[in-house]
Amino acid sequence: QKEVEQDPGPLSVPEGAIVSLNCTYSNSAFQYFMWYRQYSRKGPELLMYTYSSGNKEDGRFTAQVDKSSKYISLFIRDSQPSDSATYLCAMNAGNMLTFGGGTRLMVKP
Amino acid sequence: DGGITQSPKYLFRKEGQNVTLSCEQNLNHDAMYWYRQDPGQGLRLIYYSQIVNDFQKGDIAEGYSVSREKKESFPLTVTSAQKNPTAFYLCASSTTQGKTQYFGPGTRLLVL
Repeated sequence: QKEVEQDPGPLSVPEGAIVSLNCTYSNSAFQYFMWYRQYSRKGPELLMYTYSSGNKEDGRFTAQVDKSSKYISLFIRDSQPSDSATYLCAMNAGNMLTFGGGTRLMVKP
Repeated sequence: DGGITQSPKYLFRKEGQNVTLSCEQNLNHDAMYWYRQDPGQGLRLIYYSQIVNDFQKGDIAEGYSVSREKKESFPLTVTSAQKNPTAFYLCASSTTQGKTQYFGPGTRLLVL
């Protein structure tokens, strides 16, 4: 079993939809949680970074962490075609990151 | 502009050849990392370095080598011992206390 599980998708939604992307993990030592966005043939770009359980909002993006369930989510409101990318969750218990496999999101105009 | 640069963008390797991928950062970060990404897969750690003149193997170090002679630079050599080198290679950096890593644009390595 992988330490971090992420549905690979692809997830296809119409423009304007609310998108929910999720990861589950098994290592209870993970304390810091990140979401990266990766466009095709580009490097990952840090989107959100959270430490504690709860919600963190940044514009159209909300990151949610539930440590008791070992479950994290990224919500995208009013999704745009420019949001079409692969979204990677990542988490660490020190300086080393463990990544999920990524979910490919397609937002159709 | 602060950031991480990788070169070249595309690299072609002939069988039996060693090739070197460049990674430079001007973020004043102490730690640097190399990852390999295969289609549809997450990132796998090849090597990392938390300080100049020191580096450690990651999960898939076989067939790769690195050096860290300068804080700003962390080149990766893909040796002929790496039998399946075709992949997207990503360099990242962070502060030693930082919990997040920042990535370069990547190098795509293809085998002729």
